[in-house]
Amino acid sequence: NAGVTQTPKFRVLKTGQSMTLLCAQDMNHEYMYWYRQDPGMGLRLIHYSVGEGTTAKGEVPDGYNVSRLKKQNFLLGLESAAPSQTSVYFCASSYSRLAGYYNEQFFGPGTRLTVL
Amino acid sequence: AQRVTQPEKLLSVFKGAPVELKCNYSYSGSPELFWYVQYSRQRLQLLLRHISRESIKGFTADLNKGETSFHLKKPFAQEEDSAMYYCALSGRGNTPLVFGKGTRLSVIA
Repeated sequence: NAGVTQTPKFRVLKTGQSMTLLCAQDMNHEYMYWYRQDPGMGLRLIHYSVGEGTTAKGEVPDGYNVSRLKKQNFLLGLESAAPSQTSVYFCASSYSRLAGYYNEQFFGPGTRLTVL
Repeated sequence: AQRVTQPEKLLSVFKGAPVELKCNYSYSGSPELFWYVQYSRQRLQLLLRHISRESIKGFTADLNKGETSFHLKKPFAQEEDSAMYYCALSGRGNTPLVFGKGTRLSVIA
């Protein structure tokens, strides 16, 4: 199993450009999450999904949109990138607690995004 | 509200010295608590969770509900322990994990 994968690994954008980050998991997890990691700020939740076709806002959702059209994929979009969105983005997934699993999250390798 | 506080941004210890990474939480119910670790340029991975009461790589953490703490301890630090450590809390239901801001552990040879 590949676990959680993210595409791309690196990206440089100019202010105002758009892009989509792709997260894929092959563990049949119900829950998926997008975080950003910034120095001194730790991990901050952007958006998350509790199942196919559903999404919810996290702590820092502004400037981002997400979609979960398939259970195994969770897309993070930046419509008009800003320098403040320069960060490392991590995707994660977990089982539903209703299935009797603990809320352990499995993380992807990260995407390093720079907005000039 | 759920909150996790890691008071130290950076902790430097000498090899062989004891390590304690502090974590305090705020939650009104019975939380699940976790420690995640991120080695240089690697993905975050689960180190241990309180409910398992296990020791991983020599690390242990005890949940103290009276002090609302979940400190991570190791009696003798190794150079390979140098990493970023995050404490995380999960509340009732299916709410996402709440992470602390992390503590960078540097073990000096």
